[in-house]
Amino acid sequence: QSALTQPASVSGSPGQSITISCTGTSSDVGGYNYVSWYQQHPGKAPKLMIYDVSNRPSGVSNRFSGSKSGNTASLTISGLQAEDEADYYCSSYTNSNTFGVFGGGTKLTVL
Amino acid sequence: QAQLVESGGGVVQPGGSLRLSCAASGFTFSSYGMHWVRQAPGKGLEWVAFIRYDRSNKYYADSVKGRFTVSRDNSRNTLYLQMNSLRAEDTAVYYCAKDLKDRGDTFEIWGQGTMVTVSS
Repeated sequence: QSALTQPASVSGSPGQSITISCTGTSSDVGGYNYVSWYQQHPGKAPKLMIYDVSNRPSGVSNRFSGSKSGNTASLTISGLQAEDEADYYCSSYTNSNTFGVFGGGTKLTVL
Repeated sequence: QAQLVESGGGVVQPGGSLRLSCAASGFTFSSYGMHWVRQAPGKGLEWVAFIRYDRSNKYYADSVKGRFTVSRDNSRNTLYLQMNSLRAEDTAVYYCAKDLKDRGDTFEIWGQGTMVTVSS
């Protein structure tokens, strides 16, 4: 069982917006602004999409945005495109002695 | 452009050992913490180990503590993972990843991964 909880799957049509949630506790997501999101296409390495809750690395489309409220962080993808179909993972800083706490992953299907 | 290239994966029998390497280029390797993250077939991401930029501290997931050792050679821009007493459940693609700020929580750059299969 993953430390962070994500929905197993979400779907949307091209052009629509979708949101993926990531729920933790006050020891991780809720306690720090250090949530990150990763995109992984089949057979490929993960790619950092959002860090520190809402920051985008250089080169990542502004269609991707992040936010947080309490113990739940969210990734929103607007203007869905076929290429966005992938698995998405959240991660958070934690005050335990464990690094890289990941969510279980969410499979995004573009209909 | 920052790049990480893993090597050393393969098939090993239960109880065996394997050493993975991760060659870094395109950034100042000695200034950043580095991670190993694995992904079992069809499963999610699992953090394995983290080593600070100056080797001052090393951290491990409970599932590998006492069996795996992370190290680095900053003169060679290379990260290592020594894996001993391997089990079937260690079968996975192993990725090395550069930390964003040496905080230990953000995986900025990933390698392509190397497959480790533990089987008799």
